[in-house]
Amino acid sequence: GDSVTQMEGPVTLSEEAFLTINCTYTATGYPSLFWYVQYPGEGLQLLLKATKADDKGSNKGFEATYRKETTSFHLEKGSVQVSDSAVYFCALSKSGDNFNKFYFGSGTKLNVKP
Amino acid sequence: GAVVSQHPSRVICKSGTSVKIECRSLDFQATTMFWYRQFPKKSLMLMATSNEGSKATYEQGVEKDKFLINHASLTLSTLTVTSAHPEDSSFYICSAKVSSWTGVNTGELFFGEGSRLTVL
Repeated sequence: GDSVTQMEGPVTLSEEAFLTINCTYTATGYPSLFWYVQYPGEGLQLLLKATKADDKGSNKGFEATYRKETTSFHLEKGSVQVSDSAVYFCALSKSGDNFNKFYFGSGTKLNVKP
Repeated sequence: GAVVSQHPSRVICKSGTSVKIECRSLDFQATTMFWYRQFPKKSLMLMATSNEGSKATYEQGVEKDKFLINHASLTLSTLTVTSAHPEDSSFYICSAKVSSWTGVNTGELFFGEGSRLTVL
């Protein structure tokens, strides 16, 4: 079945360090891929998305490229800030489900230290 | 942006009692809402799809008599965990699909902040 696997955390970085959070997926058809972020005490917020192979989603300095050949959607940021500390979820959804059903990874907690 | 609010954010209850969790879309209408559950270090799993004015659709393996879902209005869905047991302790998150709101594309999904249930 469809699923998403992402690296376990927590990930602890110093401010201005480079961030990579790995995400791979298994899906039939042509899913859309998403990264959601959850700040402490808040709901999940859409960070970025990509709807087809080779698309790059970007927002707030974060980016991820939809790689069909490696079934991956790794999240990257060149220079993290303390305010980026949060839990990050990778997810997929399909048009066949009317984009109603999301398959999430287990989440990766990022701690950024000053 | 659109806001989805869950209440309570944390609840502790005794085994055998029932607990109700509310999910409200504060500034938009949502004919469809979704309930997810997350076990520690596991993925968020879709439990059920809640449709306003009709019965919820449950995912395979989710007990509908255990997890009662009521979508009474276009802005409110409730999840009631009946006769709760320690194994029901989990993090429950709802999401709402925009069906009507000025300024936001219909069909967008917004998530609540989650409710952590602990059953003693």
